[in-house]
Amino acid sequence: KAGVTQTPRYLIKTRGQQVTLSCSPISGHRSVSWYQQTPGQGLQFLFEYFSETQRNKGNFPGRFSGRQFSNSRSEMNVSTLELGDSALYLCASSFTSGSTDTQYFGPGTRLTVL
Amino acid sequence: AQKVTQAQTEISVVEKEDVTLDCVYETRDTTYYLFWYKQPPSGELVFLIRRNSFDEQNEISGRYSWNFQKSTSSFNFTITASQVVDSAVYFCALSETNTGNQFYFGTGTSLTVIP
Repeated sequence: KAGVTQTPRYLIKTRGQQVTLSCSPISGHRSVSWYQQTPGQGLQFLFEYFSETQRNKGNFPGRFSGRQFSNSRSEMNVSTLELGDSALYLCASSFTSGSTDTQYFGPGTRLTVL
Repeated sequence: AQKVTQAQTEISVVEKEDVTLDCVYETRDTTYYLFWYKQPPSGELVFLIRRNSFDEQNEISGRYSWNFQKSTSSFNFTITASQVVDSAVYFCALSETNTGNQFYFGTGTSLTVIP
């Protein structure tokens, strides 16, 4: 079974721009979660989508948004980029939504904001 | 408040030594899950183990073993006879019943195995 895939793997943007990251979950998985990883803040939960609905949201500003499509693929969007948004963005998928399930992570998208 | 604490920021060991990575968690839920993930330089988080709060049996998988103690809220991870390929950052994570797939990660322990 193919793992979680994320595109693109690397992105360079400038302040004020917006960016869209994509995540394809493991086949059959319906939950997709997004995390931001930075040296200062570590791994922080952004949001989770299950069956095209946002189930849970972390403590991030409204500039961070996401959506999920009927095939479970997910996108996250960051608008009006700031320097502090430079991070590794990790996507994880699981079969269901709920603490009983193991999440499997993709390789991440490394975003650099100049 | 930090829900998961990994007090060891960096550890270096010589190949073939045993090493234990500590993880202390905090939760009010009676049902919760604990995880360990490995992050090699490539960046992808690799799943290692999951335990639920009702199963305190220790587990051994090859050179890896885990010690879960609810009394001390700890979920420690031991690598026996470490190898250079074990060099990575290791994360402990907690998920609670009421927050679905939201993981609370520790800050990670960077392990370097010196040949």
